[in-house]
Amino acid sequence: EAQVTQNPRYLITVTGKKLTVTCSQNMNHEYMSWYRQDPGLGLRQIYYSMNVEVTDKGDVPEGYKVSRKEKRNFPLILESPSPNQTSLYFCASSLGQGYQPQHFGDGTRLSIL
Amino acid sequence: QKEVEQDPGPLSVPEGAIVSLNCTYSNSAFQYFMWYRQYSRKGPELLMYTYSSGNKEDGRFTAQVDKSSKYISLFIRDSQPSDSATYLCAMSPNYGGSQGNLIFGKGTKLSVKP
Repeated sequence: EAQVTQNPRYLITVTGKKLTVTCSQNMNHEYMSWYRQDPGLGLRQIYYSMNVEVTDKGDVPEGYKVSRKEKRNFPLILESPSPNQTSLYFCASSLGQGYQPQHFGDGTRLSIL
Repeated sequence: QKEVEQDPGPLSVPEGAIVSLNCTYSNSAFQYFMWYRQYSRKGPELLMYTYSSGNKEDGRFTAQVDKSSKYISLFIRDSQPSDSATYLCAMSPNYGGSQGNLIFGKGTKLSVKP
């Protein structure tokens, strides 16, 4: 089954404790991205990757890091999480950028206390 | 002015009603238009995809694009309780780089009452 898998699905942690949210896709997609979804603000792109070792900032990259060492994986790293990063996070993948339909994971709900 | 505007609702309709969901946009370079459906506690899933102007129909769903007015619509006929979800419009220009990313509306929450 074609899917994008995120882990963990839920996480409550404290300010400053480094965390990583993993994302893996099994569709051999080149393009992957991370979004955060907040009430009243909608989906906002954090980072995206057009291929292995190629990453770029989206609209709200501050406080986040990503890496793309393998085609299937695109982890999101919060090195020093803060309460304003409490949000619902989605990983997505597609064949290519922009006009290609994106396949989303089921989300990771992060709470930073 | 935001690039994509979408009324967040909520919108509540009785079962069987025709639902109209809309987005307006400001970037005339947008060429690809999509509608995603997001159920509670799930990620968005692609519902409809259109290129440039015109209509596209898929079962009970019809997507319309009016580029002259910079306005897109999603119509749901014979709405069902299972259609209750948040609907997000999304659009993209026809070029790559950081300007080629998909831009989402904020989503409209729809509730179809039995």
